Amino acid sequence: NAGVTQTPKFQVLKTGQSMTLQCAQDMNHEYMSWYRQDPGMGLRLIHYSVGAGITDQGEVPNGYNVSRSTTEDFPLRLLSAAPSQTSVYFCASSYSNGNSYNEQFFGPGTRLTVL
Amino acid sequence: AQSVTQPDIHITVSEGASLELRCNYSYGATPYLFWYVQSPGQGLQLLLKYFSGDTLVQGIKGFEAEFKRSQSSFNLRKPSVHWSDAAEYFCAPGGFSGGYNKLIFGAGTRLAVHP
Repeated sequence: NAGVTQTPKFQVLKTGQSMTLQCAQDMNHEYMSWYRQDPGMGLRLIHYSVGAGITDQGEVPNGYNVSRSTTEDFPLRLLSAAPSQTSVYFCASSYSNGNSYNEQFFGPGTRLTVL
Repeated sequence: AQSVTQPDIHITVSEGASLELRCNYSYGATPYLFWYVQSPGQGLQLLLKYFSGDTLVQGIKGFEAEFKRSQSSFNLRKPSVHWSDAAEYFCAPGGFSGGYNKLIFGAGTRLAVHP
């Protein structure tokens, strides 16, 4: 299994440009999430999904869109990039076995710089 | 409100010395508790987790953590640090809420190891 994969690893954008960060997992996990990591702030949840076709907002959703058309993929879209979105982005997935918690598996991250 | 505090932003220890990284949380109920490690330029790797039962949990790489309900703490320990342990460590309480595994990350503790 490749686990959770993310592309690209690095990206530089100009203010106002759009782009999509890709995330895929091959573990058949129902739950997928996007986090951003900023110095001194740990990881903060942007959006998450509990299954194909179902998404919801996390702690810092503004400026980001997501969709989940398949179990495997969970892309994150920046419609009009801003310098405040300069960050490292992590995708994570976990499985569901009912009403209990299961650990999240993280991808390697995408480092995004917005000029 | 749910929160987690890692009081130490940076810690430096000598190789072979013991280590304790502190974590305190504020949560509505006893959460599930995790420690993740992030090596430079890498994603997050799970070190250990506490769900229930024995309050002293063992993890990978010789780490252990002790859950103390009365102190709302989940401190990470290692008896003898190796140079390869230099990394950033994140404490993350979580819970199953609204049909999703939600994690709250601390700001992280960056560990430097002197030879």
